Amino acid sequence: SQQGEEDPQALSIQEGENATMNCSYKTSINNLQWYRQNSGRGLVHLILIRSNEREKHSGRLRVTLDTSKKSSSLLITASRAADTASYFCATDARGGATNKLIFGTGTLLAVQP
Amino acid sequence: NAGVTQTPKFRVLKTGQSMTLLCAQDMNHEYMYWYRQDPGMGLRLIHYSVGEGTTAKGEVPDGYNVSRLKKQNFLLGLESAAPSQTSVYFCASSDGGTQYFGPGTRLTVL
Repeated sequence: SQQGEEDPQALSIQEGENATMNCSYKTSINNLQWYRQNSGRGLVHLILIRSNEREKHSGRLRVTLDTSKKSSSLLITASRAADTASYFCATDARGGATNKLIFGTGTLLAVQP
Repeated sequence: NAGVTQTPKFRVLKTGQSMTLLCAQDMNHEYMYWYRQDPGMGLRLIHYSVGEGTTAKGEVPDGYNVSRLKKQNFLLGLESAAPSQTSVYFCASSDGGTQYFGPGTRLTVL
């Protein structure tokens, strides 16, 4: 399987703190994407970073990509209780023309009010 | 725009029964996907389509069939359901970048 792995599997923090999640993958990629899933719901796209980018920001989200280490991190700053969800990274492998994504196993984030 | 919709939302089957899950998107996307999500695991790709009339196998295709007769619809069929197919099924569509997901179908096979 080419599935990526997220670390940690679960993270519990207090409101206002920062949350960092890491993702490792196995193949060369076109891009890496982060998705969020609230309990019992579908996935929602958060941010996409291309293989030639090293860092990207969107609001309170900061994503980094290190293609030499085949890893990415998602930082959520000043967390809120509403950020409680599962977060998944997904990779779009280089050489594919199908936009197939390989998802990691996810990090469950709990933000305590 | 409704985005991506899935029907039904919930279903309980007995072993050996058949059913079809319907996915519809109104974004004119070429690409559509079916995933399953099991506890403690990420999403695994069952089948996908790169355009009307085309389908291809994903990571876990056994026991499932699909059809894409119309661009906006992608159907997932279970011909003879097994307990191992108890899962939450998600459909997604894409224009080649971000994937947009439906709300999911929770299927239980007894």
